[in-house]
Amino acid sequence: EVQLVESGGGLVQPGGSLRLSCAASGFTFSSYWMSWVRQAPGKGLEWVANIKQDGSEKYYVDSVKGRFTISRDNAKNSLYLQMNSLRAEDTAVYYCAAGSRLSYWGQGTLVTVSS
Amino acid sequence: QSALTQPASVSGSPGQSITISCTGTSSDVGSYNLVSWYQQHPGKAPKLMIYEGSKRPSGVSNRFSGSKSGNTASLTISGLQAEDEADYYCCSYAGSSTFLFGTGTKVTVL
Repeated sequence: EVQLVESGGGLVQPGGSLRLSCAASGFTFSSYWMSWVRQAPGKGLEWVANIKQDGSEKYYVDSVKGRFTISRDNAKNSLYLQMNSLRAEDTAVYYCAAGSRLSYWGQGTLVTVSS
Repeated sequence: QSALTQPASVSGSPGQSITISCTGTSSDVGSYNLVSWYQQHPGKAPKLMIYEGSKRPSGVSNRFSGSKSGNTASLTISGLQAEDEADYYCCSYAGSSTFLFGTGTKVTVL
């Protein structure tokens, strides 16, 4: 059974940093593109970033470029999102998703940016 | 990178068919046959329902179908059931390995 489990969310002050993790199991993690998608409270889905199977290519939505960094460790079947210079508008549930079709999703982790 | 446009809400009675539209531009929906549709129940993670415009993943009911014409993609749910009540999002490849989601549509079963 495919499982994606996010962790690392929480309350952080504006300008602060947070690192999200996503532990994958039940599929060959190293064979899949991986993505982060977020959803602000009561709002729609927004694609944030993705990373190629070997980590050689990374892409971001314009609003997070230069602040967020996506990475992966295929030996640990894990995906990460380093978030720096956080803003109130980054408040959202962050989901990790597997595959170029976003076939599998985790349950999400809530990030709240507030003073 | 503006979100793709979907109607805020669509409703129908059990057994009826409904269609949700997803309008983009010639840079995203119109350029690629790579539109996906996701179903999201309250408090739950999204679930892939349609990919590459009209293909269904294993396990998804054949009551769900997708199509595209020009810059607009569509999701049709036939034989509407109470369990179909949820939010639905389209998502299109937008070039350079980036993706764009739609604004979302709340489906209500009357």
